[in-house]
Amino acid sequence: EIVLTQSPGTLSLSPGERATLSCRASQSVSSTYFAWYQQKPGQAPRLLIYGASSRAAGIPDRFSGSGSGTDFTLTISRLEPEDFAVYYCQQYAGSPRTFGQGTKLEIK
Amino acid sequence: EVQLLQSGGGLIQPGGSLRLSCAASGFSFSNYAMSWVRQAPGKGLQWVSGISGSGGNTHHADSVKGRFTVSRDNSKNTLLLQMNSLRAEDTATYYCAKDDIRFGWAFDIWGQGTTVIVSA
Repeated sequence: EIVLTQSPGTLSLSPGERATLSCRASQSVSSTYFAWYQQKPGQAPRLLIYGASSRAAGIPDRFSGSGSGTDFTLTISRLEPEDFAVYYCQQYAGSPRTFGQGTKLEIK
Repeated sequence: EVQLLQSGGGLIQPGGSLRLSCAASGFSFSNYAMSWVRQAPGKGLQWVSGISGSGGNTHHADSVKGRFTVSRDNSKNTLLLQMNSLRAEDTATYYCAKDDIRFGWAFDIWGQGTTVIVSA
């Protein structure tokens, strides 16, 4: 099983700042099968990024994904109030598909 | 509108059984694989089960193998999860999700979630 480790566990920033979230895989993952999700309290997750760097439909361009192999990054260029949430990475290069433990992005 | 509407769930005693349903609308249901993902209270996401568009291929996480069965009725655009021999550690919010190969098998559409509580 491929283990995904996200860092930091919690990120405290202010609106307008830049956020950088990391996800490290225990073995190499094809970028094609790597995704990021956003989850707000009481809501289902929402797909943000697929294929490591492609934005899903309706996702603002302040969200961007990058990385390959074992290291992937989600960047939010200028935080808006609605961006404060929990973010999960996910892979499907190997079965079972697995998620990271999440990064909570909170308002400083 | 593309939508997944879930039903089922509730409070069940350990060892009991429960069936979750997920009704799809707004897309060609039989063309897409589907999955169940769960989230224990205050915890992260865990993939539970998946099924191909035809229903001919199914997969389950080791933690539920032999106890949970995923199935689908394409004539009714419905995904099902039969959960038997439930344990306290199965307590979670369960989400159905649409798989899409166009997105590298990411989950692009999610149901609203349904809560399962396993407790005496």
